[in-house]
Amino acid sequence: ILNVEQSPQSLHVQEGDSTNFTCSFPSSNFYALHWYRWETAKSPEALFVMTLNGDEKKKGRISATLNTKEGYSYLYIKGSQPEDSATYLCASVSGYALNFGKGTSLLVTP
Amino acid sequence: GAGVSQSPSNKVTEKGKDVELRCDPISGHTALYWYRQSLGQGLEFLIYFQGNSAPDKSGLPSDRFSAERTGGSVSTLTIQRTQQEDSAVYLCASSSIRTGGVQPQHFGDGTRLSIL
Repeated sequence: ILNVEQSPQSLHVQEGDSTNFTCSFPSSNFYALHWYRWETAKSPEALFVMTLNGDEKKKGRISATLNTKEGYSYLYIKGSQPEDSATYLCASVSGYALNFGKGTSLLVTP
Repeated sequence: GAGVSQSPSNKVTEKGKDVELRCDPISGHTALYWYRQSLGQGLEFLIYFQGNSAPDKSGLPSDRFSAERTGGSVSTLTIQRTQQEDSAVYLCASSSIRTGGVQPQHFGDGTRLSIL
């Protein structure tokens, strides 16, 4: 299984800042890309499932874009809040399971 | 509504002991997955169950690991003769499989396993 890579590994921003992270994945045999948010002491929560090149999805202040030809996705958070502090995971579909990156750990301080 | 339930939430055991981890998926979800996250690593796929089909065991790291899913619902992951490298957070997830990998997976809170 080829690797899914995420950057940066961690990020510390001030409340109100906008931020973005990158997920790169194998572009060959692409099927779908998932984004999850994993808060400490909680279970990972699905944010987006993206399938089409050029797709853009939005959920509140969080949005994501997808480029399947070059194999990357960006996750954007507008006006970060302390409650956005979490690890953000992306995963490509491999068979019926998910191949996860190591995540980007975001800390938002007031 | 009930989400994915895992037990125990924490397990500490001595090297060489066997452990069983339990997962109760969302009712009606036919697909069930086990993953683990070791320190400093990403979530690693272990095993996948779909209905009554033979499971995909391709992610199990050794023959000390096995899993069952009885009656198409509850699943148990068993680790025999535990080793320190088995220490990790073990996560279970379920999904509706109607359209395969385009359905989001719903995760439990995980079992944090520590091998002394």
